[in-house]
Amino acid sequence: AQSVTQLGSHVSVSEGALVLLRCNYSSSVPPYLFWYVQYPNQGLQLLLKYTTGATLVKGINGFEAEFKKSETSFHLTKPSAHMSDAAEYFCAVSVDNFNKFYFGSGTKLNVKP
Amino acid sequence: DARVTQTPRDKVTEMGQEVTMRCQPILGHNTVFWYRQTMMQGLELLAYFRNRAPLDDSGMPKDRFSAEMPDATLATLKIQPSEPRDSAVYFCASGLDRGLSSYEQYFGPGTRLTVT
Repeated sequence: AQSVTQLGSHVSVSEGALVLLRCNYSSSVPPYLFWYVQYPNQGLQLLLKYTTGATLVKGINGFEAEFKKSETSFHLTKPSAHMSDAAEYFCAVSVDNFNKFYFGSGTKLNVKP
Repeated sequence: DARVTQTPRDKVTEMGQEVTMRCQPILGHNTVFWYRQTMMQGLELLAYFRNRAPLDDSGMPKDRFSAEMPDATLATLKIQPSEPRDSAVYFCASGLDRGLSSYEQYFGPGTRLTVT
């Protein structure tokens, strides 16, 4: 069975500081991995995805994530936080032919001035 | 700019009433998903369709929920009768199955349902 664990339901950083949101997955087969962002009262928006190839993936708004198979992780990072990054972030995994997406419980990012 | 649309955006209803939520997937997409989001349970997959055929609705309470795709441009989620515990935000997402490297889901803005 597939599952996604996001460590830390709330993360708070200062503006300009490094953002690190953690995601670990369990999967018996090579996964496809995604990060989505949700702003208040909006739907989820795709930030980035890993399917095959390079394990360091760059997404929108300066975010990137690295797939580490040995650690079963897909952590999301951004070198310098901006106030507009305050939102909830969801990690998701899919393991078969465009079938179910399994979402983590989400991490709310707060950015302090 | 192609988007998934959902109607209504907000719905307040009384317990026992029927609720119908509608979703228009992005034109050309062949896969549609229904999710429910609550504070307690997070994001739950209720049902999904490929080429209008239901593939999995195991996440949906069968006795009161039903999901259909009357045509390729419309997906519906019905609750009958509605209960207060159904209060949540319901999201529709669509995607195009083009092979291994093209997996994405595009989410609509959601329908916020309140059952009193």
